[in-house]
Amino acid sequence: AQSVSQHNHHVILSEAASLELGCNYSYGGTVNLFWYVQYPGQHLQLLLKYFSGDPLVKGIKGFEAEFIKSKFSFNLRKPSVQWSDTAEYFCAVNAGSGYALNFGKGTSLLVTP
Amino acid sequence: DGGITQSPKYLFRKEGQNVTLSCEQNLNHDAMYWYRQDPGQGLRLIYYSQIVNDFQKGDIAEGYSVSREKKESFPLTVTSAQKNPTAFYLCASSIVVTGKGTGELFFGEGSRLTVL
Repeated sequence: AQSVSQHNHHVILSEAASLELGCNYSYGGTVNLFWYVQYPGQHLQLLLKYFSGDPLVKGIKGFEAEFIKSKFSFNLRKPSVQWSDTAEYFCAVNAGSGYALNFGKGTSLLVTP
Repeated sequence: DGGITQSPKYLFRKEGQNVTLSCEQNLNHDAMYWYRQDPGQGLRLIYYSQIVNDFQKGDIAEGYSVSREKKESFPLTVTSAQKNPTAFYLCASSIVVTGKGTGELFFGEGSRLTVL
């Protein structure tokens, strides 16, 4: 079955530490890839997306993600996290026309001062 | 402002009652979606619709029903057949690019249903 896996369910980092959140998917064909963020008490918003082209995509608030097709991965990175990055992060995959977005279970990030 | 409007924000119902959650969008998007969010489960797809008068079941459609009579509206009914209806429900919409798939999803603020 098609699936999206996020490896880390809970991550705790100190401010200024580097962040990498893993995301793998099991779809075999062309995919569209997304990372969403949900800040406490707020609705989901898009961090970044990949449709085609440069596999290194940059998003808002200093986040970036790299699509590695051979590894079926789309990991999210940020060189230096801030307390305000405390949130839940979701990876999502779309397998093409006719399909909806399939989400991972999310990673809860806590950044401590 | 353009966006997705979900109502009500909070809803309490007794066990055995059907309840309908409203979702309206003014983004002129073709596709609309309902997800359920539970702690530790991420977002699970209930139903989606890519065109008026047509919709498809998602991964957890049992106990739910939808309609898509208008492009801007996609109400979700949680029926008494849903075994564990207490949850946070999210509606979303997107464009659909033929041959390329679903664009970015825009989400509403959610409806929290509690069944007593």
